[in-house]
Amino acid sequence: DTEVTQTPKHLVMGMTNKKSLKCEQHMGHRAMYWYKQKAKKPPELMFVYSYEKLSINESVPSRFSPECPNSSLLNLHLHALQPEDSALYLCASSQDGINYGYTFGSGTRLTVV
Amino acid sequence: DAKTTQPPSMDCAEGRAANLPCNHSTISGNEYVYWYRQIHSQGPQYIIHGLKNNETNEMASLIITEDRKSSTLILPHATLRDTAVYYCIVSMNSGYSTLTFGKGTMLLVSP
Repeated sequence: DTEVTQTPKHLVMGMTNKKSLKCEQHMGHRAMYWYKQKAKKPPELMFVYSYEKLSINESVPSRFSPECPNSSLLNLHLHALQPEDSALYLCASSQDGINYGYTFGSGTRLTVV
Repeated sequence: DAKTTQPPSMDCAEGRAANLPCNHSTISGNEYVYWYRQIHSQGPQYIIHGLKNNETNEMASLIITEDRKSSTLILPHATLRDTAVYYCIVSMNSGYSTLTFGKGTMLLVSP
């Protein structure tokens, strides 16, 4: 299995909702990442997990809460989002410490209404 | 701070070589050059990386100048499926570095 699977592919949520994005990989990668991508912009790093521990938080607002329950799963919990948080949320994984060979999922297209 | 500079867009005829330039004049000795691409509505895809020497794989070739201040990604026979945004990224290859994407080059391959 050489894929990163993200669910759901599309999500529409209200500003008072709580939802979660899920990411799964079975390549034995020990580093996992969340990126946010606005339309026509490059991906921006949000969080990095290394060996299931949060190692980097790029000053992301607390309405985004990451979780890594085990080495194969990465969640992003969403609460009280704003319309400007609408974006493509990308999950990626890699062998820890290696910047080549990141494997990205196809993303979750999030719309906040 | 932008560590790389790429042209915003390029065109290429199908079947011809696509040569995508990247300037990284402030690259340090232990930083690698990575290339990723992102086809519309998909996640980015790793293409190739290098430190000093030229590299080739089944997807592309990477030519790095001797002073390492610039590089060129070469797609030898571009196809319509190569239409994508190509990102040149400079970063260390260690556990404390990550990929920071710049604006990239939008490559349009036409029939």
